[in-house]
Amino acid sequence: EVQVLESGGGLVQPGGSLRLSCAASGFTFSNYAFSWVRQAPGKGLEWVSAISGSGGSTYYADSVKGRFTISRDNSRNTLYLQMNSLRAEDTAVYSCAKSRVSGSRALDVWGQGTTVTVSS
Amino acid sequence: QSVLTQPPSASGTPGQRVTISCSGSSSNIGGNTVNWYQHLPGTAPKLLIYGNNQRPSGVPDRFSGSKSGTSASLAISGLQSEDEADYYCAAWDDSLNGYVFGTGTKVTVL
Repeated sequence: EVQVLESGGGLVQPGGSLRLSCAASGFTFSNYAFSWVRQAPGKGLEWVSAISGSGGSTYYADSVKGRFTISRDNSRNTLYLQMNSLRAEDTAVYSCAKSRVSGSRALDVWGQGTTVTVSS
Repeated sequence: QSVLTQPPSASGTPGQRVTISCSGSSSNIGGNTVNWYQHLPGTAPKLLIYGNNQRPSGVPDRFSGSKSGTSASLAISGLQSEDEADYYCAAWDDSLNGYVFGTGTKVTVL
């Protein structure tokens, strides 16, 4: 079964750091680009970052550029999101999502998400 | 503040047809394909339409997508109670060099 599972969320103080993980199974992980998408309480979906299948290309939303780093370990079938200098407005459910096919931006497999709360 | 604008809500009775619009610009919808997602709160979003008008396997043909210029639309025909959800359009934006979601539309089945 094709699936992805996020972990690593929690409560962190403003200015703190957190690393999210996304474990994938059921497909050849390195063949697909991945994205992180978040949803703040009461808000809509917001794309955060994306990475190519090889990891050689990365993309970020302006709201997180310079603070978040996306990476992947294709030997471990795992995607990461390192979040630094966290702010209250980063509070959200963070989900990882797989691109449908190589070169496609459509996200066809999503995890249930992990909750990040930034508060003192 | 999303660059893709959708109406905040839409509604219809069972069996009716509902259409959701998504307005963008030349840097996103005008130059790239549009995808649509269905999201029920507390669950993982589901890809409904990709490549402007293609349905993934398992998505009923009641759902259809179209694109014209810098706008796109999602139509739900034969509305059913289980279609009550939030719907988002999305596209790559060449100016932002990132993926953008629409503001989202909440569909209510009356």
